[in-house]
Amino acid sequence: AQSVTQLGSHVSVSEGALVLLRCNYSSSVPPYLFWYVQYPNQGLQLLLKYTTGATLVKGINGFEAEFKKSETSFHLTKPSAHMSDAAEYFCAPVVQGAQKLVFGQGTRLTINP
Amino acid sequence: GAGVSQSPRYKVAKRGQDVALRCDPISGHVSLFWYQQALGQGPEFLTYFQNEAQLDKSGLPSDRFFAERPEGSVSTLKIQRTQQEDSAVYLCASSLAEYGIYGYTFGSGTRLTVV
Repeated sequence: AQSVTQLGSHVSVSEGALVLLRCNYSSSVPPYLFWYVQYPNQGLQLLLKYTTGATLVKGINGFEAEFKKSETSFHLTKPSAHMSDAAEYFCAPVVQGAQKLVFGQGTRLTINP
Repeated sequence: GAGVSQSPRYKVAKRGQDVALRCDPISGHVSLFWYQQALGQGPEFLTYFQNEAQLDKSGLPSDRFFAERPEGSVSTLKIQRTQQEDSAVYLCASSLAEYGIYGYTFGSGTRLTVV
């Protein structure tokens, strides 16, 4: 069965610092991988996705993620945090050939001024 | 429409009351999903439609939950005899293809509070 683990339910960084949000998946077949962001009282917005091809994926708002098959990871990074990045972030794989996203528990990112 | 539209935005129901939540997906999107998000948790899959066919309803928590998409466009999630544990945000998502390769667009959700 497909599952995903997000290490750290809460991450706090200073404005301008590196953001690193961790995601590991368990699947015998490399899945499609998505990162979503959720601002308070809003739905989920797609940040970036990996399906095939280049393993380093760039998304919106300066975020990027690297698919590492050997580590079954898809960590999300941003070189310099901005106050507007404060939100909940979800990693979600989809098994190839399947349809549904399987969400992690989420990581709440707080940005300190 | 430009995005996935859900209504109502907020719903307060008395325990035992029936509720109906509406999702209007992006025009032309084949796949439609319902998720339940409890406070402080990640979204949990409820059910999936491909056009009008409900292909996966494995996530529906009980037979009080029922979803339909009769014409392959608008979908309704119905909860009968609501219980306090049904309080959550219900998210709808749609996708252009049958499979996830193109990603999923989510609506803003319906926050259901059962009192």
